Amino acid sequence: GAVVSQHPSWVICKSGTSVKIECRSLDFQATTMFWYRQFPKQSLMLMATSNEGSKATYEQGVEKDKFLINHASLTLSTLTVTSAHPEDSSFYICSVRGQRGSSGEQFFGPGTRLTVL
Amino acid sequence: DAKTTQPPSMDCAEGRAANLPCNHSTISGNEYVYWYRQIHSQGPQYIIHGLKNNETNEMASLIITEDRKSSTLILPHATLRDTAVYYCIVRPPGPGNMLTFGGGTRLMVKP
Repeated sequence: GAVVSQHPSWVICKSGTSVKIECRSLDFQATTMFWYRQFPKQSLMLMATSNEGSKATYEQGVEKDKFLINHASLTLSTLTVTSAHPEDSSFYICSVRGQRGSSGEQFFGPGTRLTVL
Repeated sequence: DAKTTQPPSMDCAEGRAANLPCNHSTISGNEYVYWYRQIHSQGPQYIIHGLKNNETNEMASLIITEDRKSSTLILPHATLRDTAVYYCIVRPPGPGNMLTFGGGTRLMVKP
């Protein structure tokens, strides 16, 4: 399967600051990238879907001005949490998908744990 | 996406087969069945997927009933490292269709 990396793997920041999380597809051209978040003891929740070179599509209830997504190339997407607050503390996971076959497996990064103080 | 129903938790003895069930009674004809697992504090890991036929790979086997309303993931010889949350997901083909995660089954493999 595809190798997906995220950076940083964890980050602690003060309330009000912005945090950027990178997602890289190391050996796979990701035409579509997804961002999920996961709160403790809960399942993954999709935040947004982005296609390379176009604007992201956000799920209901996810503020697009707070969670800025840039999918500038087939191998890189970034999620910026702007003016982070303690309630944004979560495990953020990116996922990539290409055009491989009709089923198109989706591969996940290792996740980034964000803690906002 | 069609919804899936999985037991919230299961135990399995190390070395024995782990059989994880999933109900997807409202699955549509073109929707695939996917299985992923998530080990604590890691991203989900792809295991296997199928449409109609049973599938096997180096990690597991997937048995889909003839009416496609349910499936079973089989880990033939469970190890302690297989302890994880296992997610069964159905999804139509197409690059824009995302995976939607339910509660999954927390599998505990015990020595």
